[in-house]
Amino acid sequence: EADIYQTPRYLVIGTGKKITLECSQTMGHDKMYWYQQDPGMELHLIHYSYGVNSTEKGDLSSESTVSRIRTEHFPLTLESARPSHTSQYLCASSQVSSYNEQFFGPGTRLTVL
Amino acid sequence: GENVEQHPSTLSVQEGDSAVIKCTYSDSASNYFPWYKQELGKGPQLIIDIRSNVGEKKDQRIAVTLNKTAKHFSLHITETQPEDSAVYFCAASKRTGANNLFFGTGTRLTVIP
Repeated sequence: EADIYQTPRYLVIGTGKKITLECSQTMGHDKMYWYQQDPGMELHLIHYSYGVNSTEKGDLSSESTVSRIRTEHFPLTLESARPSHTSQYLCASSQVSSYNEQFFGPGTRLTVL
Repeated sequence: GENVEQHPSTLSVQEGDSAVIKCTYSDSASNYFPWYKQELGKGPQLIIDIRSNVGEKKDQRIAVTLNKTAKHFSLHITETQPEDSAVYFCAASKRTGANNLFFGTGTRLTVIP
């Protein structure tokens, strides 16, 4: 079982609210990722980070933002949630120095009404 | 960039039969090919991976084969059991963790008891 945690697991929120999805890992991994997962299963990389103070945009454009102030923590923020943000959000981590084995958290299912 | 295609998108097999999922990739520089299993309500978990210096790898009932010339790799599950029912993702990456994983679109496997 990977030591990567996401909170909350489920979130139902109204349009216009600011939300932060939390992700923490205790494996000391330097690289962390956020994926958005469609109901149709496909995984889309929206953000990643190589380490503290590093953030990069992924392949799928997203209105969310991320920060990496501590190695173990990689929160994702939506300033003003909209129904189009309804999705499953998965956090992952890996070690840059090794082959690209990524460990995933359990996910946050976000519903914006 | 890398493009990974995965087939089929859904697969139903009788318990005890074999299941095969196939992926192709486009970037000949890719040399790390993991497979992830995602159960309902959970994040993807690595089940097996293969690196480009080998053509086949086996772990109990699951095996992965790689054909670098044709740029395709496959997951084979033998003696399927109901607990094998899940969504499976293939992925491809260049060697180091500095590179991101490129995921296939997923295969929903259903094992019918």
